[in-house]
Amino acid sequence: AQTVTQSQPEMSVQEAETVTLSCTYDTSESNYYLFWYKQPPSRQMILVIRQEAYKQQNATENRFSVNFQKAAKSFSLKISDSQLGDTAMYFCAFMKQSNYGGSQGNLIFGKGTKLSVKP
Amino acid sequence: GAGVSQSPSNKVTEKGKDVELRCDPISGHTALYWYRQSLGQGLEFLIYFQGNSAPDKSGLPSDRFSAERTGGSVSTLTIQRTQQEDSAVYLCATHKGASYNEQFFGPGTRLTVL
Repeated sequence: AQTVTQSQPEMSVQEAETVTLSCTYDTSESNYYLFWYKQPPSRQMILVIRQEAYKQQNATENRFSVNFQKAAKSFSLKISDSQLGDTAMYFCAFMKQSNYGGSQGNLIFGKGTKLSVKP
Repeated sequence: GAGVSQSPSNKVTEKGKDVELRCDPISGHTALYWYRQSLGQGLEFLIYFQGNSAPDKSGLPSDRFSAERTGGSVSTLTIQRTQQEDSAVYLCATHKGASYNEQFFGPGTRLTVL
């Protein structure tokens, strides 16, 4: 069975600074996807960034980037130039890849990190 | 619609009553998932639909929980004889077929069982 661990229940950062959220996972699968989702107080889960495990290059989306270490089963999220609107719960999630390359089944989530961006 | 919608947004019920939660997926999204988000527990998978079939029901916590999907579209999650431990936010997520891996989430239904 796969597990996802987020060891930081809460973090805070000053506006415009950089923060890194940690995530480790355990799996025996070789092919899978990893995701970071953001959940603001509105409850709407929003995809921040995703990484295919077969890709060595770390994914980047504007101010968001990941440090994917497959051997260490680590998938941290770096937020640069933090903004007040980044205040939210952040969830790391794992999904198996099917034999034909698509997704297979449900997301497995960590318990989340509550990020507060302070002015 | 433009996104996944869920209704009601909030539901307060008394212990022992039955409740129905509804999910309207994005048009054309054949895969649909239900998750439960309990305080301090993160998100737990409940059930997965591909079209109208549910190939994975492994996350349903008890036989009081059931779900159906009709016309490959709307899904209803039913909780019978609700208990206080059923209080949570119930989230629905959908995606296009099996070759597309991003799941789009609805805003959830917050269920409170008194």
